Amino acid sequence: AQSVSQHNHHVILSEAASLELGCNYSYGGTVNLFWYVQYPGQHLQLLLKYFSGDPLVKGIKGFEAEFIKSKFSFNLRKPSVQWSDTAEYFCAVNANQGGKLIFGQGTELSVKP
Amino acid sequence: EAQVTQNPRYLITVTGKKLTVTCSQNMNHEYMSWYRQDPGLGLRQIYYSMNVEVTDKGDVPEGYKVSRKEKRNFPLILESPSPNQTSLYFCASKEKRATYNEQFFGPGTRLTVL
Repeated sequence: AQSVSQHNHHVILSEAASLELGCNYSYGGTVNLFWYVQYPGQHLQLLLKYFSGDPLVKGIKGFEAEFIKSKFSFNLRKPSVQWSDTAEYFCAVNANQGGKLIFGQGTELSVKP
Repeated sequence: EAQVTQNPRYLITVTGKKLTVTCSQNMNHEYMSWYRQDPGLGLRQIYYSMNVEVTDKGDVPEGYKVSRKEKRNFPLILESPSPNQTSLYFCASKEKRATYNEQFFGPGTRLTVL
């Protein structure tokens, strides 16, 4: 069965620190990959997505992610986090070209001012 | 404004009392879906619908029903809620034939079953 694993459940950083959140998936075929962010009390918002082409994708708010097919990974990065990045981050995979998204467990990011 | 709306946003109920959570989208999307979010488990799909009158089970359908009589609406029905259905529920929609499968999420409904 397809699955998505996020390595970190809770990450605490100081402002200006660099961020990398790990995401691995299990599926050998073509995948669409997503990172969603959920700010406290709000709904999920799309940060970025990968469908094909350049494996380094840039999203909103300075986030980027790199798709490494050989490692089945899609890690999220940001060079310098801000207090406003405090949120929960979800990696998700769509593998069957239908609508179903398989989500990781989520990573809670806390940024200290 | 393109959006997915859900009502109610918060609901506290008791075991066995039937309830419905409504979901509506104004983007003319064919595909709609319900997820539940639980700590440490991420989001899991409950039911989905590829189009009007077409619905199917997701990963955790037990205890839930859905209907899709109109394209814009996709209500989630709990006939006899139980405490293990206490969760945060999200409705989502997307274009069926989109070359990218981005889903748009509603604001969430926090349900507590006592």
